[in-house]
Amino acid sequence: DVVMTQSPLSLPVTLGQPASISCRSSQSLVYSDGNTYLHWFQQRPGQSPRRLIYKVSDRDSGVPDRFSGSGSGTDFTLKISRVEAEDVGVYYCMQSTHWPPWTFGQGTKVEIK
Amino acid sequence: QVQLVQSGAEVKKPGASVKVSCRTSGYTFTGHYIHWLRQAPGQGLEWMGWIGCSSGDTNYTQKFHDRVTMTRDTSINTVYMELSRLTSDDTAMYYCARDGAFENWGQGTLVTVSS
Repeated sequence: DVVMTQSPLSLPVTLGQPASISCRSSQSLVYSDGNTYLHWFQQRPGQSPRRLIYKVSDRDSGVPDRFSGSGSGTDFTLKISRVEAEDVGVYYCMQSTHWPPWTFGQGTKVEIK
Repeated sequence: QVQLVQSGAEVKKPGASVKVSCRTSGYTFTGHYIHWLRQAPGQGLEWMGWIGCSSGDTNYTQKFHDRVTMTRDTSINTVYMELSRLTSDDTAMYYCARDGAFENWGQGTLVTVSS
């Protein structure tokens, strides 16, 4: 199984400041079709997860452009350019290149300082 | 718009089974897959398996393969996940999600296993 490792696991941030979350996979996530199936999800307190970013850097509809994804191979990053209060929650990376199983990172808890 | 609406919370005794439903709308049901995941209290997300809504084909993760059954009813665009021989470790929020990149999620169903 592909192991996904996120860091940090806890991220206190100041409103209006940037935030960055790292995700590493135990093997390359490049699929045979050339795509990289690495996705990011946000889970606000008491809510279901919501997909923010798919295939490394494509933003889902309705996702603010302060969220961006980047990376390649085994190293990926989710960036929030200016954190807002509504961004509080847990963020997960997930891979769907090598399945089954689909695997997630441990989650990174973003909170306001 | 795409919607996945799950059945309500359940309380079960150890050894019992639970069946959770996921009613879908807003897209062509048989053209997609539904995955089931779970999240224990305060923990991360764990993938359980998927069902093809057209064929009914299933794929379960090894951890659950002898206890989980996923089915679908194409007449009402609904998918079911049944988990048997419940223990306290199965206490969790259970989610359905559409397709392999989990584009859409249900609201979750809390299953509590307690004697």
